[in-house]
Amino acid sequence: AQKVTQAQTEISVVEKEDVTLDCVYETRDTTYYLFWYKQPPSGELVFLIRRNSFDEQNEISGRYSWNFQKSTSSFNFTITASQVVDSAVYFCALSEAGGRDDKIIFGKGTRLHILP
Amino acid sequence: ETGVTQSPTHLIKTRGQQVTLRCSSQSGHNTVSWYQQALGQGPQFIFQYYREEENGRGNFPPRFSGLQFPNYSSELNVNALELDDSALYLCASSLVPQEQYFGPGTRLTVT
Repeated sequence: AQKVTQAQTEISVVEKEDVTLDCVYETRDTTYYLFWYKQPPSGELVFLIRRNSFDEQNEISGRYSWNFQKSTSSFNFTITASQVVDSAVYFCALSEAGGRDDKIIFGKGTRLHILP
Repeated sequence: ETGVTQSPTHLIKTRGQQVTLRCSSQSGHNTVSWYQQALGQGPQFIFQYYREEENGRGNFPPRFSGLQFPNYSSELNVNALELDDSALYLCASSLVPQEQYFGPGTRLTVT
């Protein structure tokens, strides 16, 4: 069965602190994709990153970095030097490549509060 | 290039009524997926349409139905509305698998 677990429901940190959002996934497919999305209060889903299962290289984009570890089925997201504008709900998600459709399975999200 | 658009933005309906939500896909995208996001939850897959045919369906009852038109725009219809249908409904379009572009959503409130 495919599943995404974000154990942290809510996190609060003071501005400029680093924060890591955890994500653990389950899938039987050997080919799959992992995603992170940001959802600000406006509700729109903002795409942050997509990773396929064959690419375990960590990625850095500005203050954002992602750590993909197949051995532990984890795809964690770190924000360095957090800013108030980073406050949002963040979703980790999974899509298997073997099915007829490419539905995305989302975790329940982590609500991140960056305090000034 | 216009992104994915959805209408209306907000909607209030009464229990038992029917509702139609609309989605215009990004230019050239032939696949549309619909998701329901209840308050405090992640989006859940309702169904997907590819070239006017249903291509996959999540765990939603038959009163959730859809349609895709020749221009690849799509509708989501929900009959016999229930209070639990109150949610943000997100539409996503794609041309390439696993590259879905989401619209801003329609917030439905059922009273």
